[in-house]
Amino acid sequence: KAGVTQTPRYLIKTRGQQVTLSCSPISGHRSVSWYQQTPGQGLQFLFEYFSETQRNKGNFPGRFSGRQFSNSRSEMNVSTLELGDSALYLCASSRSQGSTEAFFGQGTRLTVV
Amino acid sequence: KNQVEQSPQSLIILEGKNCTLQCNYTVSPFSNLRWYKQDTGRGPVSLTIMTFSENTKSNGRYTATLDADTKQSSLHITASQLSDSASYICVVTPSGGSYIPTFGRGTSLIVHP
Repeated sequence: KAGVTQTPRYLIKTRGQQVTLSCSPISGHRSVSWYQQTPGQGLQFLFEYFSETQRNKGNFPGRFSGRQFSNSRSEMNVSTLELGDSALYLCASSRSQGSTEAFFGQGTRLTVV
Repeated sequence: KNQVEQSPQSLIILEGKNCTLQCNYTVSPFSNLRWYKQDTGRGPVSLTIMTFSENTKSNGRYTATLDADTKQSSLHITASQLSDSASYICVVTPSGGSYIPTFGRGTSLIVHP
């Protein structure tokens, strides 16, 4: 059974650009959550999608957005990139919303220069 | 504001020794408390999951305990191995509608031969 797949693994962008990250959940999992991890702040919750609807949202500016497709795959978009957006972006999938068992992908390392 | 505090921030032990990591939280009421292991450059992997009614949960050499009265959890690692070198993250998810988890900053464990 394939795990959570995130693409790309590494990304370098310039300030002001936008970026789209992709997450394919484990087969059968319908909930996808996104997280930002930085050395200074640790892991922080961005948002959760279930059945193509955003169910929960963390305390991030509107430049951070996401969506989920009918096959449960999810994308996260960050517009007008800032240097502070440099981080490891992780997604996790679970069978349902609020499920106790969440499986993380390997993450996308985003560097903004 | 929900908070999760982990201690120590970092820990160095010799291979074969035991160690205990601490997690104090203010999240209340909570749905579950999870411990994750995160190797450098990889996504977190779940070690244990406990609901508010559970006191202890084991996963091989890893044993987590929970005291809901004092809002404290600990992760005990027995007979440490070099592969235990990683960051250990405590996560608490609230109950009552919002499933937004709060993450601790993690404890960085280094096991020396």
